[in-house]
Amino acid sequence: DSGVTQTPKHLITATGQRVTLRCSPRSGDLSVYWYQQSLDQGLQFLIQYYNGEERAKGNILERFSAQQFPDLHSELNLSSLELGDSALYFCASSVDRGDSFVGGEQYFGPGTRLTVT
Amino acid sequence: DAKTTQPPSMDCAEGRAANLPCNHSTISGNEYVYWYRQIHSQGPQYIIHGLKNNETNEMASLIITEDRKSSTLILPHATLRDTAVYYCIVRVTLINSGGSNYKLTFGKGTLLTVNP
Repeated sequence: DSGVTQTPKHLITATGQRVTLRCSPRSGDLSVYWYQQSLDQGLQFLIQYYNGEERAKGNILERFSAQQFPDLHSELNLSSLELGDSALYFCASSVDRGDSFVGGEQYFGPGTRLTVT
Repeated sequence: DAKTTQPPSMDCAEGRAANLPCNHSTISGNEYVYWYRQIHSQGPQYIIHGLKNNETNEMASLIITEDRKSSTLILPHATLRDTAVYYCIVRVTLINSGGSNYKLTFGKGTLLTVNP
């Protein structure tokens, strides 16, 4: 158990819909990262928040957005869903802000499996 | 834009040491090497990291060559539960407007299958 929780575990929705994925980081961790894992793309970094502020963006689509709240939990919002958005979405947390050479240990949650039909 | 090369798959007998190689010939002097593993559809799990000295923890040992162009992750006594995809990662700099930030770039990794 990494200490990172994600809800829901599974989500099935239709194209064009909007969903929200939730993540609670490990106690004491200020950074939250979101990743997408699909069969053809592997594990892709989407976005990072540190203590409520966006720190880094990866391959995140404009239809996707995220935020981190004062209690440090984070939500990933996916809108105008397409079939290709079906994937596993992982959240990870770390103490590190992400701007030092050390501190690459991230602790991953169990993921949310999103199926768009 | 992964900076590492790993064999796609390896087999290991249960109870034997599993030695997973990784090439990172373009690594720069202050970049760390990280190892993660992912058991089928679970979240990746951090294993170990190192800069130039060999490292050991309760899960594994990491041997980095003197020129730092390659490393080997060693699971000393592999069990069936060690069957997973193992990722060797050199953090990639991601330049943001506020300065440099790092991200983990996961490649395809090595599927280690531990056989009974």
